[in-house]
Amino acid sequence: ETGVTQSPTHLIKTRGQQVTLRCSSQSGHNTVSWYQQALGQGPQFIFQYYREEENGRGNFPPRFSGLQFPNYSSELNVNALELDDSALYLCASSAGPAPEQYFGPGTRLTVT
Amino acid sequence: GENVEQHPSTLSVQEGDSAVIKCTYSDSASNYFPWYKQELGKRPQLIIDIRSNVGEKKDQRIAVTLNKTAKHFSLHITETQPEDSAVYFCAASIWHDMRFGAGTRLTVKP
Repeated sequence: ETGVTQSPTHLIKTRGQQVTLRCSSQSGHNTVSWYQQALGQGPQFIFQYYREEENGRGNFPPRFSGLQFPNYSSELNVNALELDDSALYLCASSAGPAPEQYFGPGTRLTVT
Repeated sequence: GENVEQHPSTLSVQEGDSAVIKCTYSDSASNYFPWYKQELGKRPQLIIDIRSNVGEKKDQRIAVTLNKTAKHFSLHITETQPEDSAVYFCAASIWHDMRFGAGTRLTVKP
């Protein structure tokens, strides 16, 4: 069984730029959730994708968007980067309606 | 929306002692309550969870209790070991929407 993977591991961007982060779900999982984890804080729910459609969204602006592909992998896109977007971005996969979520290693984004 | 509060923010115990971390949630519709352990620089790992129709669940040295009336749940670790040192997060979930507490940094002193 393959675990959740994310790429890239680290990324440095300039304010105003756009970024795309990628996530491959665990084998057999068709649901992907994205979280932002600022230093010293708990993960904050961004949104979830199920069967290629957004299935719920947290309190994040529209410049945070996503996609899910037929193989259940997912992308998180952030436009017009701000300094406060610097964080660890985590994705987690789950099997359909089952609530148990398993996290990937994260992408550390630094915005300068 | 759901709001999860977690206490304490830091906890230091002697090896072999017990550790207890407490969380409260605001939305009575929350129906799933996982606990994650996050070691420095690593991904959060699901260590135990409980659903709203269960009051207590145990897995070896780890147990979780849920009081739906009071809207609080707790993590209990017995016979702590140095490798239990990490940040622990509680969460409350209504279907897809999972909200996390701010975390508890547990240090187990040998």
